[in-house]
Amino acid sequence: DAGVIQSPRHEVTEMGQEVTLRCKPISGHDYLFWYRQTMMRGLELLIYFNNNVPIDDSGMPEDRFSAKMPNASFSTLKIQPSEPRDSAVYFCASSREQGRIGELFFGEGSRLTVL
Amino acid sequence: SQQGEEDPQALSIQEGENATMNCSYKTSINNLQWYRQNSGRGLVHLILIRSNEREKHSGRLRVTLDTSKKSSSLLITASRAADTASYFCATDGGPSGTYKYIFGTGTRLKVLA
Repeated sequence: DAGVIQSPRHEVTEMGQEVTLRCKPISGHDYLFWYRQTMMRGLELLIYFNNNVPIDDSGMPEDRFSAKMPNASFSTLKIQPSEPRDSAVYFCASSREQGRIGELFFGEGSRLTVL
Repeated sequence: SQQGEEDPQALSIQEGENATMNCSYKTSINNLQWYRQNSGRGLVHLILIRSNEREKHSGRLRVTLDTSKKSSSLLITASRAADTASYFCATDGGPSGTYKYIFGTGTRLKVLA
């Protein structure tokens, strides 16, 4: 299996620009998670989906952040407009309810720098 | 908000020594997991322990769980330079949020050759 695939791996953008991060979960996984990692705040859960439906988005910091999962094989995290404090590594992870319950498979992350 | 707090924040040991990391959490859980993160990479699952288990082994890893104290420990025996990484515990949301996995602050382990 190819694992969780995230793109882009690195993004540098200017304040005010729109940023879209993409994630392809492992085929057959029915849970998808978006996390943000910074030195100051560690790993924060932003939102997670089950069967493409958002279950808990209480970690989404502001209305500038939005996430979608139009189908089982694709999710996006959008920041509009971006701000320097959004600079972080954003991770996508997927999991499935049956089998090895609870194990999260992480992508390699998207490192975002907002100037 | 973070559920887990790891202790120590950083640990430096010699190759061959054992490394022990601790995790404390705040609310009831169904299971607790440990993950490893190499610099610049994603997290990799190491081991999962359920709330009704007290100890679990996997290779050189030993995990304990004390639900009365809301704490867990990860022991890596006979450490190797390749074990250098950050280690995180993750707890689920318990009865109200099984899949809401919250990660602790992490322990940075450095194993000196």
